[in-house]
Amino acid sequence: AQKITQTQPGMFVQEKEAVTLDCTYDTSDPSYGLFWYKQPSSGEMIFLIYQGSYDQQNATEGRYSLNFQKARKSANLVISASQLGDSAMYFCAMRESGGSYIPTFGRGTSLIVHP
Amino acid sequence: NAGVTQTPKFQVLKTGQSMTLQCAQDMNHNSMYWYRQDPGMGLRLIYYSASEGTTDKGEVPNGYNVSRLNKREFSLRLESAAPSQTSVYFCASSESTSGPYNEQFFGPGTRLTVL
Repeated sequence: AQKITQTQPGMFVQEKEAVTLDCTYDTSDPSYGLFWYKQPSSGEMIFLIYQGSYDQQNATEGRYSLNFQKARKSANLVISASQLGDSAMYFCAMRESGGSYIPTFGRGTSLIVHP
Repeated sequence: NAGVTQTPKFQVLKTGQSMTLQCAQDMNHNSMYWYRQDPGMGLRLIYYSASEGTTDKGEVPNGYNVSRLNKREFSLRLESAAPSQTSVYFCASSESTSGPYNEQFFGPGTRLTVL
């Protein structure tokens, strides 16, 4: 069974609008961390945001926020005020204690921002 | 501060040839990782090294070997390349593998084609 599921292979959004990229995870560990990475067409992996399982508040980093719903095991990435430069692949990843904290990645979501 | 470097950036091999992908980090990180990225599959872990002197198999280790040469360097070897190993290979490092928060830093990737 997949540990990280990203159900949206591709997403489209109009410039300046907000977009939510879905991520659900599967773990029974109490201690885990969730990450989002961006991969533009140039290929590099860019760390965006982190959410720990014990964090009381949703993580935010500039225009990025993480909608963490622990009971639903979801960690959706919200990008506000989309920009053309946000067009990229986005990957959700998890580190869990049962997996020796070795990261597991989802298959990614391709986001295209239209002008 | 170069972060994580990988060589080469591109490589074309014939079936049966061998090669070594090199990775080095200058952040004094203890843990290093090798991933492969295939379309629609996200990043899959090949091998990792939690600390200098240790290596462990990941999700897709068959056909690969690794060497943690020292704290800085972690190489990936293909002894007899196969077309199924055509992929983009990423090296990453993190401070450690202990605890849920350990941001990974990625190299620029190596695009390998096996004919």
